[in-house]
Amino acid sequence: KNEVEQSPQNLTAQEGEFITINCSYSVGISALHWLQQHPGGGIVSLFMLSSGKKKHGRLIATINIQEKHSSLHITASHPRDSAVYICAVRSRGATNKLIFGTGTLLAVQP
Amino acid sequence: DVKVTQSSRYLVKRTGEKVFLECVQDMDHENMFWYRQDPGLGLRLIYFSYDVKMKEKGDIPEGYSVSREKKERFSLILESASTNQTSMYLCASSLVGYQPQHFGDGTRLSIL
Repeated sequence: KNEVEQSPQNLTAQEGEFITINCSYSVGISALHWLQQHPGGGIVSLFMLSSGKKKHGRLIATINIQEKHSSLHITASHPRDSAVYICAVRSRGATNKLIFGTGTLLAVQP
Repeated sequence: DVKVTQSSRYLVKRTGEKVFLECVQDMDHENMFWYRQDPGLGLRLIYFSYDVKMKEKGDIPEGYSVSREKKERFSLILESASTNQTSMYLCASSLVGYQPQHFGDGTRLSIL
């Protein structure tokens, strides 16, 4: 079993829909990252969380440390949100290394 | 703005060749990383470097080596390329361990 599991693996939505991507992890962590990868390869860091909730534009990330679970929400989704969303955790005591989920492929249709 | 530049977007090499992938960052970051990304497996760490001439093996170092002679440049070397090293290779850097990593655009390497 992977230490970081994402669901769903694939997601298709209509423009305007509210989207949720989930991440569960099995190790103790110091931080959790959400990353976005567009077709062509480049990866951009969206959020780094260690507790609570963060918001940036239409994106919201939450984390529940006790339940070892995080969610990434996209409000009013748009075709330009189509990308792979990757959850990664930094385990306690391993400050230089991230453990990555396999990603969620999101397609937002107009 | 932060910039991590990988020398090639696409590269095609032959089995047995020695292959060099170059990565340069302009942020004076201490840490640099090489990952490979394969469908269904996510990103896996090959090597990382926390200072000039310092390196540490990641999860899948076999068949690879690295070089960091200058702070801004981190090279990944495939000593004798094999077809199972066909993959997307991503370089990243971070200021210190707990800061977010900044990624390059990736090199899609095909070994024929």
